[in-house]
Amino acid sequence: NAGVTQTPKFRVLKTGQSMTLLCAQDMNHEYMYWYRQDPGMGLRLIHYSVGEGTTAKGEVPDGYNVSRLKKQNFLLGLESAAPSQTSVYFCASRSGGRPAYEQYFGPGTRLTVT
Amino acid sequence: LAKTTQPISMDSYEGQEVNITCSHNNIATNDYITWYQQFPSQGPRFIIQGYKTKVTNEVASLFIPADRKSSTLSLPRVSLSDTAVYYCLVGDEGNTGFQKLVFGTGTRLLVSP
Repeated sequence: NAGVTQTPKFRVLKTGQSMTLLCAQDMNHEYMYWYRQDPGMGLRLIHYSVGEGTTAKGEVPDGYNVSRLKKQNFLLGLESAAPSQTSVYFCASRSGGRPAYEQYFGPGTRLTVT
Repeated sequence: LAKTTQPISMDSYEGQEVNITCSHNNIATNDYITWYQQFPSQGPRFIIQGYKTKVTNEVASLFIPADRKSSTLSLPRVSLSDTAVYYCLVGDEGNTGFQKLVFGTGTRLLVSP
């Protein structure tokens, strides 16, 4: 049981490049989330999903897109990277049968946009 | 979501008990109190959750007074590996699906030998 995994762990992009971050969970969780964490700040929600085939915007969705074609995977895409998107990105998941605040986080992806 | 206030940092020594208090004066009737732990370069980890009185698990205890305007996370006999940032979160546990976690800046705990 690997829990929540994220790929890649590190990435450096040039402004304007695109990339996709992959989140995978093997706990059969219904809900999945993408957060970003900037230095000295708490986490901010980018997008989330309440089930396979569904996605919704969080509080900072601009510049990102997501897809959840399979229940176990949640992809975060950056179409045209900007330096403001330099951050650590965390994926999380939770079970519908557990408290909503009991989320399981992946190890994070550290992204630098130059 | 209720606003929370925590100390920015705390220092302790190995073997001591550490108590981190969180203020949440505007907590609503349906709100629960949840604590997360985050080590450097890792994602947050759920520690404990409670609604009132006392909750204890294998990691920590959570004390909530009757008025629920504050809560205290208690870590017994800390070790160096407990050095981390601890976040207090307050919110409705309603299972609406959209349940984002609002993390503040947390409390940075440093445990020394």
